Amino acid sequence: QVQLQESGPGLVKPSETLSLTCTVSGGSISSYYWSWIRQPPGKGLEWIGYIYYSGSTNYNPSLKSRVTISVDTSKNQFSLKLSSVTAADTAVYYCARSTQWLGYYYYMDVWGKGTTVTVSS
Amino acid sequence: DIQMTQSPSSLSASVGDRVTITCRASQSISSYLNWYQQKPGKAPKLLIYAASSLQSGVPSRFSGSGSGTDFTLTISSLQPEDFATYYCQQSYSTLLFTFGPGTKVDIK
Repeated sequence: QVQLQESGPGLVKPSETLSLTCTVSGGSISSYYWSWIRQPPGKGLEWIGYIYYSGSTNYNPSLKSRVTISVDTSKNQFSLKLSSVTAADTAVYYCARSTQWLGYYYYMDVWGKGTTVTVSS
Repeated sequence: DIQMTQSPSSLSASVGDRVTITCRASQSISSYLNWYQQKPGKAPKLLIYAASSLQSGVPSRFSGSGSGTDFTLTISSLQPEDFATYYCQQSYSTLLFTFGPGTKVDIK
């Protein structure tokens, strides 16, 4: 079955760029939407954005100025870049497959295990 | 933006209890509502999509209902493995998916 695995640095300095990659195994990245979600320590879930395998994107307006999500179909990977990070960006970052059903329902049905990113000098 | 609220924020229940969690949207979202379960240190798991469709592999004691602004997740007979935090999430606005704040279910 499809599995997702996040990878990237666990520690990022303030003002720098957080970079994470999600590798999709057991299935193709094609024909799906792929999301990033984060969860600050002890808090709830925040959707960051998604990318379609063709490259079209949609970002959370609250993060849009700092977020870039890209896809590499040849490697079955998609990536997140978050610039100008602060301590408020410290969180567990999850990647997830967003399935579109009947053409208009979306749900996140496959998740990575998550990776902890701490922003600190 | 569509705001999601959940009630209660936490509850204590016993094995075998019927548990109901409510999610409310700040505007009508039709049936574009999903439910997730998250255990400590784990990724969320999809339980219900499109308000009432049970995700494959999820036990039938979980059910969802509602449309418009008010939704319910029901666990018909709480099992030990069901103690977790539950989140609702709207997908009506594809420009901004939003989650509810979560409901923590723990052991009485």
